[in-house]
Amino acid sequence: SQTIHQWPATLVQPVGSPLSLECTVEGTSNPNLYWYRQAAGRGLQLLFYSVGIGQISSEVPQNLSASRPQDRQFILSSKKLLLSDSGFYLCAWSAGQGNEKLFFGSGTQLSVL
Amino acid sequence: AQSVSQHNHHVILSEAASLELGCNYSYGGTVNLFWYVQYPGQHLQLLLKYFSGDPLVKGIKGFEAEFIKSKFSFNLRKPSVQWSDTAEYFCAVTPLYGQNFVFGPGTRLSVLP
Repeated sequence: SQTIHQWPATLVQPVGSPLSLECTVEGTSNPNLYWYRQAAGRGLQLLFYSVGIGQISSEVPQNLSASRPQDRQFILSSKKLLLSDSGFYLCAWSAGQGNEKLFFGSGTQLSVL
Repeated sequence: AQSVSQHNHHVILSEAASLELGCNYSYGGTVNLFWYVQYPGQHLQLLLKYFSGDPLVKGIKGFEAEFIKSKFSFNLRKPSVQWSDTAEYFCAVTPLYGQNFVFGPGTRLSVLP
């Protein structure tokens, strides 16, 4: 069966420090991968999605970037965190064809101080 | 790009009351539509989805949704809510041949016992 792993679960980082959140999927190949930020009252904001290795689509301009170095690995990064980057980040995957449902990771609560 | 709006930020109902949560999307082409639910302390999970065919879609736990193409709407309904339906509900849309799932801001449902 397929599983999605996302870590760390919580992270406290100072302003200006770098960020790396990792997400891996097991049990499937060539998944579509997603990074969302969930904020109260704003729902789920799509940040990045990827349909293949090295292919990244950005939905909103921001201080963050994403990379997909391997088929089932999706990384969310920042060179210098801002206070406004605080939030709950969710990784998700879907099958490569047919736009089937999303499967979500457990999320990372990021606090930038 | 597509966008999704949800009519209500917070809905409060008594048990056995009927529920209707509004969802409208904007996109010029054919879409796939979803409702996701997030129970307190749990991951997001799929409630129901519409790809094609009968515009009235039945999901889990007695929920249903109706796709009205002329109104760009996909409202969620349940005839009689239970306390256990207390959760946050998200409408989502993706283009027929696209991979970017876009979510609405969410509606928080509180069901009073």
